[in-house]
Amino acid sequence: DGGITQSPKYLFRKEGQNVTLSCEQNLNHDAMYWYRQDPGQGLRLIYYSQIVNDFQKGDIAEGYSVSREKKESFPLTVTSAQKNPTAFYLCASSISGTQLTGGYTFGSGTRLTVV
Amino acid sequence: QQQVKQSPQSLIVQKGGISIINCAYENTAFDYFPWYQQFPGKGPALLIAIRPDVSEKKEGRFTISFNKSAKQFSLHIMDSQPGDSATYFCAASGAGSYQLTFGKGTKLSVIP
Repeated sequence: DGGITQSPKYLFRKEGQNVTLSCEQNLNHDAMYWYRQDPGQGLRLIYYSQIVNDFQKGDIAEGYSVSREKKESFPLTVTSAQKNPTAFYLCASSISGTQLTGGYTFGSGTRLTVV
Repeated sequence: QQQVKQSPQSLIVQKGGISIINCAYENTAFDYFPWYQQFPGKGPALLIAIRPDVSEKKEGRFTISFNKSAKQFSLHIMDSQPGDSATYFCAASGAGSYQLTFGKGTKLSVIP
């Protein structure tokens, strides 16, 4: 079945440590996204990528980095510069082009906690 | 210009009642309006979507009503059930952009 796989489901980070969240899709979607979700804050866009080897900052990119070396993969690194990383992180993908059909497909999320 | 405003932030409905969530947008170029449903600890899933060429779309107990002149759209859940308890997000896209602009979400609780 086609879909998006995020791993791990739970992740614990020590102070000053970088961690990488994995996102893989087999939907043949061109565009991929990372969102951060905090209680009462909705979905906030961190980074997005429309094509391999290209990505753009979203609304809250500071303290995060991404890469898009393969169409299927869009990993997110939470760096030590992100002072409040505890949150639920969601990866999504979609077709690209001028008209969106079918919306976004989301992964099941990674819950990151600072310990 | 790109905002989608969603209300209410939270909603409590009795089992069997009608749940109504409203969204308003500003960008008249938006032409795709989906609703997503998210259960705790899960990613959002597409529930139902509408384009502005129709005023209403129904899928089972879920209906989107769309008012183009008022730039508003709403989700109605008929005969609400405890299993409908979730967070609902409205969204919009258009004007040559496939990126979705999301509302801030509504937490729905359906009580027995």
